[in-house]
Amino acid sequence: GAVVSQHPSRVICKSGTSVKIECRSLDFQATTMFWYRQFPKQSLMLMATSNEGSKATYEQGVEKDKFLINHASLTLSTLTVTSAHPEDSSFYICSAVINSNTGELFFGEGSRLTVL
Amino acid sequence: AQSVTQLDSQVPVFEEAPVELRCNYSSSVSVYLFWYVQYPNQGLQLLLKYLSGSTLVKGINGFEAEFNKSQTSFHLRKPSVHISDTAEYFCAVSPNAGKSTFGDGTTLTVKP
Repeated sequence: GAVVSQHPSRVICKSGTSVKIECRSLDFQATTMFWYRQFPKQSLMLMATSNEGSKATYEQGVEKDKFLINHASLTLSTLTVTSAHPEDSSFYICSAVINSNTGELFFGEGSRLTVL
Repeated sequence: AQSVTQLDSQVPVFEEAPVELRCNYSSSVSVYLFWYVQYPNQGLQLLLKYLSGSTLVKGINGFEAEFNKSQTSFHLRKPSVHISDTAEYFCAVSPNAGKSTFGDGTTLTVKP
């Protein structure tokens, strides 16, 4: 079946550095992907909609210059956390739209970012 | 716009007991309905979905859900839970070709 792969699953970085997280659709093309942030014991917070071949659409309150999203191909979207700070530490999850008529989503495994 | 309310933030239950996780939604347009499960430190997996047709839908791992249009509900049920069902469960709605809206999640804890 369709699979969305997210990498890395865990990353630890120093404050001030940038971190890139990849989200790949392995056997289907994903025109639209979503990026979420999840705090412990909380629901998913939608950060942005990643559209292949165009700029991402960010949710209100999400800094687009800090969370850079690139969707250069139909199977890959990347989230780059720039100049990371400890408050950026979180669980980041991507999803890809598997059925554009119904909105059904396939999710990546998530990436745990820890900024020291 | 849509909204999703999961009525129980935590549901503790003993192994082999039945369970119901409640979900109510509101929307000004027709929506599709989903339940997703999240195990610790993992992404979400689709449990089941309601698109059209029979209001009782069956999903993976023995779960089922019933769509009730008049009550705008989509409650998730399982007749007999296992320890391995311990996880976070999210109800979601999606308008036609639109972004999904998620509930706050329900933590199901199955005790031996």
